[in-house]
Amino acid sequence: TQLLEQSPQFLSIQEGENLTVYCNSSSVFSSLQWYRQEPGEGPVLLVTVVTGGEVKKLKRLTFQFGDARKDSSLHITAAQPGDTGLYLCAGATSGTYKYIFGTGTRLKVLA
Amino acid sequence: DARVTQTPRHKVTEMGQEVTMRCQPILGHNTVFWYRQTMMQGLELLAYFRNRAPLDDSGMPKDRFSAEMPDATLATLKIQPSEPRDSAVYFCASGLGTVLGYTFGSGTRLTVV
Repeated sequence: TQLLEQSPQFLSIQEGENLTVYCNSSSVFSSLQWYRQEPGEGPVLLVTVVTGGEVKKLKRLTFQFGDARKDSSLHITAAQPGDTGLYLCAGATSGTYKYIFGTGTRLKVLA
Repeated sequence: DARVTQTPRHKVTEMGQEVTMRCQPILGHNTVFWYRQTMMQGLELLAYFRNRAPLDDSGMPKDRFSAEMPDATLATLKIQPSEPRDSAVYFCASGLGTVLGYTFGSGTRLTVV
């Protein structure tokens, strides 16, 4: 069974700080996604990465897929209170689009 | 914006009762997932469909859960009989089965007492 571990589990930071969230597995993924979820809502897709070593930027968010396609990171620059939420990574193994979700990182950004 | 619609948003039921949750995928999406989210287990994949055919339901307790897509505009998840440990938020997500990703509904919060 593929397992996606995220770290840290919880993170509370001040507005303006930078942070990095990690997603690690022993499995190789053909694609990996990052989602953000707010209370009372479903997860919302932020990005999909498919190539080992790939880096994608979305405004203040930078996503990286590990060279071996087993891990990923999400870096947020100058965090804002609007970034508060549950961040989830999800991976699919080769030949499928069946996404298994990570354990989640709960981020709180204080004004 | 196109959205995935789930009904009901909230459901409280007594142990032993049948529960049916419904999902209307985004028009044109051919892949539908059912997930269950709890604080302890996170988001667990229960079942997924491609072109209305079930591809994988290995995450679902078969004795009490069933998932179907009677047509392209409706996916259902049934629990019979329900148990308190089934209390969770159930999410439906739809997509095109590509790396473009999936759109989630707002979920059904189920409480079994």
